[in-house]
Amino acid sequence: GEDVEQSLFLSVREGDSSVINCTYTDSSSTYLYWYKQEPGAGLQLLTYIFSNMDMKQDQRLTVLLNKKDKHLSLRIADTQTGDSAIYFCAESIPGGSYIPTFGRGTSLIVHP
Amino acid sequence: KAGVTQTPRYLIKTRGQQVTLSCSPISGHRSVSWYQQTPGQGLQFLFEYFSETQRNKGNFPGRFSGRQFSNSRSEMNVSTLELGDSALYLCASSPENTGELFFGEGSRLTVL
Repeated sequence: GEDVEQSLFLSVREGDSSVINCTYTDSSSTYLYWYKQEPGAGLQLLTYIFSNMDMKQDQRLTVLLNKKDKHLSLRIADTQTGDSAIYFCAESIPGGSYIPTFGRGTSLIVHP
Repeated sequence: KAGVTQTPRYLIKTRGQQVTLSCSPISGHRSVSWYQQTPGQGLQFLFEYFSETQRNKGNFPGRFSGRQFSNSRSEMNVSTLELGDSALYLCASSPENTGELFFGEGSRLTVL
């Protein structure tokens, strides 16, 4: 079955890079997603990667995928206070139900 | 294009009552999913509707039910409310057969 694990907290200084990590268990071809949840709001899709890719970059965001270790990371360059939020990793299997399985979320705290 | 709209945003109920939450998906999205978010359990999948049919179901008791109308709008109902049902209920819509979800801001239910 699918299971997605994340560390619960990450604290960084403004201007530094943040790296949020995630591990998943399903070894079949899969889509992997990063969602962001700001206080009092729903989740917002940030980016996604298919398991046949190693990396995807989108402005300040870089997603790295190590398929062998089933490890996914989200790197945020030049982290700003507005990046403070909960970041969720999620996995879905194409051809199946497509329903993503979410991790517990990582609370990113950015301090000056 | 308008986003996913959930109503009401906040509500307070007492144990034993029932509640109905409403979700209007993004125009053109036929899939609507519901999630329960609590600090203790994280994001838990409730059910997914597609073309007025429940296509997937999570592991929740029968007190939790839902439906989808011909215009893709969806409602979920919780009967015989318990204290543990206090949570943020998130609705998400998506284009057909994809794990990319577009979330509403949620309905925060407090059960006293």
